[in-house]
Amino acid sequence: DTAVSQTPKYLVTQMGNDKSIKCEQNLGHDTMYWYKQDSKKFLKIMFSYNNKELIINETVPNRFSPKSPDKAHLNLHINSLELGDSAVYFCASSQGLARSYNEQFFGPGTRLTVL
Amino acid sequence: AQSVSQHNHHVILSEAASLELGCNYSYGGTVNLFWYVQYPGQHLQLLLKYFSGDPLVKGIKGFEAEFIKSKFSFNLRKPSVQWSDTAEYFCAVNEVYGQNFVFGPGTRLSVLP
Repeated sequence: DTAVSQTPKYLVTQMGNDKSIKCEQNLGHDTMYWYKQDSKKFLKIMFSYNNKELIINETVPNRFSPKSPDKAHLNLHINSLELGDSAVYFCASSQGLARSYNEQFFGPGTRLTVL
Repeated sequence: AQSVSQHNHHVILSEAASLELGCNYSYGGTVNLFWYVQYPGQHLQLLLKYFSGDPLVKGIKGFEAEFIKSKFSFNLRKPSVQWSDTAEYFCAVNEVYGQNFVFGPGTRLSVLP
């Protein structure tokens, strides 16, 4: 059974479009995250939600909007896509807040390519 | 600014060679430490973690890491690497009373058969 799943796995789109990436975890965790991994493999946290509440919001353009309908889902919506948004986006989850003694479990990633 | 650094960008070894990947962090408080591995085309998987206790931590696949508090380091080691260890390795630090979970820039390991 997949613990943290993301859809789609690949997303190719034109500049200016709006797109969403979905994430679901079946681990019963109450904290979920979105990370961006650039072409140099550098991982940067974007958002963190705990029990559907935003607790970490790094310096991310407001074109990116996370939505958490329940604690098992954290979707990422991106408006007006730009070339620089091309990256692999990873969803993750953990039991407890980021500051707790808990490892993060990662999804398979979504490779976004903006043309 | 708080940060995590990894000494090597790309390490190339032959099979059976010993491995040590460096990781240093700049947090002053209590931290949790992790090493994650990302095999080509795959997601990140946890290799090992340190929360407290014995500073020498053993993980999966023969990996271990040693936490040296005085050096702010958490180096990853393996006595004999295999071709299947070819991957990207990420050190990560989580400040216990903070909110951030910060990854290092990663070290690419290439093991030649």
